[in-house]
Amino acid sequence: DAKTTQPPSMDCAEGRAANLPCNHSTISGNEYVYWYRQIHSQGPQYIIHGLKNNETNEMASLIITEDRKSSTLILPHATLRDTAVYYCIVREGSQGNLIFGKGTKLSVKP
Amino acid sequence: GAVVSQHPSRVICKSGTSVKIECRSLDFQATTMFWYRQFPKQSLMLMATSNEGSKATYEQGVEKDKFLINHASLTLSTLTVTSAHPEDSSFYICSAASESTQYFGPGTRLTVL
Repeated sequence: DAKTTQPPSMDCAEGRAANLPCNHSTISGNEYVYWYRQIHSQGPQYIIHGLKNNETNEMASLIITEDRKSSTLILPHATLRDTAVYYCIVREGSQGNLIFGKGTKLSVKP
Repeated sequence: GAVVSQHPSRVICKSGTSVKIECRSLDFQATTMFWYRQFPKQSLMLMATSNEGSKATYEQGVEKDKFLINHASLTLSTLTVTSAHPEDSSFYICSAASESTQYFGPGTRLTVL
């Protein structure tokens, strides 16, 4: 079973920041937080991952709370092409299996 | 990021036939590859983990004699759905492990008539 809880859906206006929350209250010390997204009828796309420090790359920023029980994925300037299902996954170490939950369906609207 | 390809992207077959799906890591070597299945409006479900040169590890409830996995090289894994039936119709997705990240293929849509 997935170890994360995400809202089933969110809307965001084009050009605004999209903040996607994820709860992982049972996360253990060696578990990483990974984010993927899946655009309709495509394979999942890797976005970002982190252990305890905040991370940023060309796609997004990942903010992990100090107690590591929750995190937020930030898309700084959402575009229509960011409409997708976003999966937050807790993974044991850096080699463990990825167990997908139901994710958050993000709709970016003009 | 790393690129993973799948072939074919879409296949339609008759009930009782076998279908082979290929998964390739194009710009990296993958000791471990994974096969997932996704039914409409559902999330991805891990079917099996394949390691190059050894037998695949199947998740509970997945029939290893029906879903044959071969990982003969560091860039290629194949999934063969044997004696396919309509209930096997699904979206099959592979992924390949590169360092600390898994990269996914574009998926194969299988329709069994």
